[in-house]
Amino acid sequence: ETGVTQTPRHLVMGMTNKKSLKCEQHLGHNAMYWYKQSAKKPLELMFVYSLEERVENNSVPSRFSPECPNSSHLFLHLHTLQPEDSALYLCASSQDPRTNRAGEQFFGPGTRLTVL
Amino acid sequence: EDQVTQSPEALRLQEGESSSLNCSYTVSGLRGLFWYRQDPGKGPEFLFTLYSAGEEKEKERLKATLTKKESFLHITAPKPEDSATYLCAVQAPSGYSTLTFGKGTMLLVSP
Repeated sequence: ETGVTQTPRHLVMGMTNKKSLKCEQHLGHNAMYWYKQSAKKPLELMFVYSLEERVENNSVPSRFSPECPNSSHLFLHLHTLQPEDSALYLCASSQDPRTNRAGEQFFGPGTRLTVL
Repeated sequence: EDQVTQSPEALRLQEGESSSLNCSYTVSGLRGLFWYRQDPGKGPEFLFTLYSAGEEKEKERLKATLTKKESFLHITAPKPEDSATYLCAVQAPSGYSTLTFGKGTMLLVSP
């Protein structure tokens, strides 16, 4: 595997379900990100991890819970979601987010989430 | 608050018809401006980084330029495979500076 991979690619869940999204990067980067992409809206940053430490949490509801067990893996745990949470969830990685290179992010293909 | 506005929202060109996409930004000190390309069903793909006014970067039929208030992505003699959504993002200078994205310009190039 190369680049950034995400599983599953598609997910349909009920409002009472619990599910997890997985992201893995094979680029040797030390920062990882979760974004939400909804139609007609800009990419919204949700969480940033640098060297496995969460350094940014953009007022995301607690029904989204991130986990970064090591610098190559990132999870997004989902529970009690709402229909408005339906969107494309993208994972990305980069060099140290304190540097200029942090803007050169490498994205996975995303997970298309539908909440019924 | 950092803001990024892209125009037009959508652009339809004939193959070979050159044009430009605009990205206007407001940021309290620019660390970098980034262009990405996103194909349907895929994540964004990094294209260019611009750091200071007057800087230009080129890649095949694409050229990105930067002024103090905006950036342009010039597309010369586009081909159908250039069809995609082009995203612009800015990075503020402080701390764990993250990206603020615009909504994108959807480009369709017809043969």
